[in-house]
Amino acid sequence: DTAVSQTPKYLVTQMGNDKSIKCEQNLGHDTMYWYKQDSKKFLKIMFSYNNKELIINETVPNRFSPKSPDKAHLNLHINSLELGDSAVYFCASRIQGVGEAFFGQGTRLTVV
Amino acid sequence: KNEVEQSPQNLTAQEGEFITINCSYSVGISALHWLQQHPGGGIVSLFMLSSGKKKHGRLIATINIQEKHSSLHITASHPRDSAVYICAGCKGGSEKLVFGKGTKLTVNP
Repeated sequence: DTAVSQTPKYLVTQMGNDKSIKCEQNLGHDTMYWYKQDSKKFLKIMFSYNNKELIINETVPNRFSPKSPDKAHLNLHINSLELGDSAVYFCASRIQGVGEAFFGQGTRLTVV
Repeated sequence: KNEVEQSPQNLTAQEGEFITINCSYSVGISALHWLQQHPGGGIVSLFMLSSGKKKHGRLIATINIQEKHSSLHITASHPRDSAVYICAGCKGGSEKLVFGKGTKLTVNP
């Protein structure tokens, strides 16, 4: 069974569209994250939720809105997509303050 | 200056060689993660450590808190170890990970 699963794996869309990326973990972890990996392969945290509460919100445009319906799910909704949003987005989870993070396989978003 | 600095940026080795990747971090980092990103893009967590040394198979991670330095060692390297290795620091008191720029390792047969 996949521990952290993201869908879709690939997403190609036009500028101005709204899209969502879904993430689910079956590890019983209480903390989930969204990371962005840019074209230079540099990873940067975007958001973190602990038990459905937002605990980290980095300087991310408000076109990006995370939603955590329960502690096993953290979805990322992006409004009015721009060319610069093209990147690979990784979801991850772990137990807060303890142990290693488990990553999803990534979603490659291409905005054309 | 990035809060987490890795070296080298690129590393090429012959199969069987001993590999060392270094990571220096700034004040405020309370724990360090080592991650491996395969050519296919997936990220796997190798270690999380806040003191001492951890070993898993041919991989060894060490951390020196006084010097704010961590190393990842690979013994008897193999072409399947070819990947990008990323060091990430956990900012004390938060869940925020700050990432190094990665070390691209290529192990030739």
